[in-house]
Amino acid sequence: EDQVTQSPEALRLQEGESSSLNCSYTVSGLRGLFWYRQDPGKGPEFLFTLYSAGEEKEKERLKATLTKKESFLHITAPKPEDSATYLCAVQGGTDKLIFGTGTRLQVFP
Amino acid sequence: DAGITQSPRHKVTETGTPVTLRCHQTENHRYMYWYRQDPGHGLRLIHYSYGVKDTDKGEVSDGYSVSRSKTEDFLLTLESATSSQTSVYFCAISDDRDPAYYEQYFGPGTRLTVT
Repeated sequence: EDQVTQSPEALRLQEGESSSLNCSYTVSGLRGLFWYRQDPGKGPEFLFTLYSAGEEKEKERLKATLTKKESFLHITAPKPEDSATYLCAVQGGTDKLIFGTGTRLQVFP
Repeated sequence: DAGITQSPRHKVTETGTPVTLRCHQTENHRYMYWYRQDPGHGLRLIHYSYGVKDTDKGEVSDGYSVSRSKTEDFLLTLESATSSQTSVYFCAISDDRDPAYYEQYFGPGTRLTVT
C-alpha cells in the first residue's frame, strides 16, 4: 500500500535558523513526488515536483531533494513569511496522489 | 489559484439534506479532482474526472457522487449529508499534456459543516 509519512508534525524556528522537513514514502513505482505549501484557510500551493533519486530543485529559500525512500525540504535562513504547513505527496502506479499529513512550520522573528 | 473557483466557500447544513459543491476552472484542463481535508489525515481523494462525463471513485467515495457535463465544471453532491462529512473540500485540476507526470493545482476550498 502506498504511504507517505511526514516529520516532524510541527516545527518552530527562529528567523534565520535553517532546518529540514522530512517526507518518507513507500510506493510501488514512484512516478513523482510533490511538495505543496498551504496557508491557513487556503488551498495547497504547488512548489516542486521531483521525479528520480538524486534530483534537487530550489525556489528562493527552499530546496527539495529526493532519495529512493525519502525527500527533504530544506529551508535556509527562513523568514516569518515562510510560516505555513508543508505537504508532501507521491504519485505511484495508480496515478493518484497520496498525501502526507503535513509539517506545520512556524518562524518567529 | 490557477483559475479555479469553488462555491460556496462556506456552508452550514443539517443532517439528511442534500448538498452540492461546485468547482469551476478556466484553464481547460482535462483532469479534475475532489478531495477532503480533515485534521490528522492527509488530503484524501473522493472522486475524480478524466473528461466530460468520465468519472471514477477515489479513496473515500462512499456517500458522494459527482458529475461533469462541461469541461470547466465539476460538481460534488452529498445526497444526504452526515456529520462525518463535515470537512474542508478542495477541488484540483491537472494538465493532460503528459498525465504520467502531472502537478495538481488546487482551488481555495469549501468549508462544510453538517449539524
